[in-house]
Amino acid sequence: EPEVTQTPSHQVTQMGQEVILRCVPISNHLYFYWYRQILGQKVEFLVSFYNNEISEKSEIFDDQFSVERPDGSNFTLKIRSTKLEDSAMYFCASSEPITHEKLFFGSGTQLSVL
Amino acid sequence: AQTVTQSQPEMSVQEAETVTLSCTYDTSESDYYLFWYKQPPSRQMILVIRQEAYKQQNATENRFSVNFQKAAKSFSLKISDSQLGDAAMYFCAYRSAETSGSRLTFGEGTQLTVNP
Repeated sequence: EPEVTQTPSHQVTQMGQEVILRCVPISNHLYFYWYRQILGQKVEFLVSFYNNEISEKSEIFDDQFSVERPDGSNFTLKIRSTKLEDSAMYFCASSEPITHEKLFFGSGTQLSVL
Repeated sequence: AQTVTQSQPEMSVQEAETVTLSCTYDTSESDYYLFWYKQPPSRQMILVIRQEAYKQQNATENRFSVNFQKAAKSFSLKISDSQLGDAAMYFCAYRSAETSGSRLTFGEGTQLTVNP
């Protein structure tokens, strides 16, 4: 069964550094998403992406964040200058074509900002 | 804005018994989807079951079923014949059907323990 793939599984960075989290959505999916989960808290929506542009973003997704689909397969989340509070599990997801109803999640990237 | 509430931070069940996890939500929309996701210790999000709001019939997937009460805005998950592998965090989630590709809004989660 096709899967959403995320790399790396764990990323450690220093405060103020830039990080790029990478995702390969399922190939025929059209909507892509980033969510994050701070340890012990609920999963929060960051951004959705469709037709090469952001379709929706949350209040969390400020100017420090950006997303890109640099080629036909990868979908990336960049954090320009990481803060301690950016430490979280970041999940990529994509939704099936036609109904876009079901979201398929990757296994996540645990970001630790020191 | 839509909200999802799970009032049970933790639940436990004996193996082979039945357990029900509660979820309520608030929305002014009439067309939406509701989901239960399972998050095991690996922290991957696994879809357990989904319900379309326009369908009166409750969804079932093997040992998992829901009790969807649209007027009460309630969406509980019943796990029958609980197995050790069911132990996980369970999240209830809401998604609008009125906009394509809309966000999922999650509840706080319920940590389920299955006792042998």
